[in-house]
Amino acid sequence: DIQMTQSPFSLSTSVRDRVIITCRASQNIGTYLNWYQQKPGKAPKLLIYAASSLQSGVPSRFSGSGSGTDFTLTISSLQPEDFATYYCQQSYNTPWTFGQGTTVEIK
Amino acid sequence: QVQLVQSGAEVKKPGSSVKVSCKASGGTFGNYAISWVRQAPGQGLEWMGRIIPVLGVSNQGRVTFTADKSTSTVYMELSSLRSDDTAVYYCARLDHRYGAFDIWGQGAMVIVSS
Repeated sequence: DIQMTQSPFSLSTSVRDRVIITCRASQNIGTYLNWYQQKPGKAPKLLIYAASSLQSGVPSRFSGSGSGTDFTLTISSLQPEDFATYYCQQSYNTPWTFGQGTTVEIK
Repeated sequence: QVQLVQSGAEVKKPGSSVKVSCKASGGTFGNYAISWVRQAPGQGLEWMGRIIPVLGVSNQGRVTFTADKSTSTVYMELSSLRSDDTAVYYCARLDHRYGAFDIWGQGAMVIVSS
């Protein structure tokens, strides 16, 4: 199975800050990498697919980059509604696997 | 826009089975696959498997996925339940082009306790 490792595990930050979350795959996955946002008690929501494509309806402050084994999710100017947990997911092969999550908290 | 509506919370005994439903509301599954993802309390996301509703049943060990095309409903049945099966179970539509889960159900809590 492909292992996905996110960093940091959590971060405390402020509104309007720039946030970068990284995700590393245990093998080359090309651009088969997706990002999700999950708020407490809610289902995950797809933000970014194919490493850098913005899902319809997602604000443009979210962006993704990377290929191969190293990927990043960037929030250019954090908004109050962005405090949540973020997960990466590889779709290179099954079993599809997720990172352990990164929780973005209010400082 | 299709929504996925899941059945309610369940409390089960160890060793029993549970069956969770996921119904397409406002449309059908079409040719999309439906995946199941679970999340234990305070933990991350775990992919369980998938079914292509037009093709019918999919078995993966203790888990069986079935589909009723007439009602646009898929089911996930988990047998021989253990306490570590306690989790929220989500169904999610799979965009097969990218392997991304673009529409999610609201989740169904399953508690396994004696």
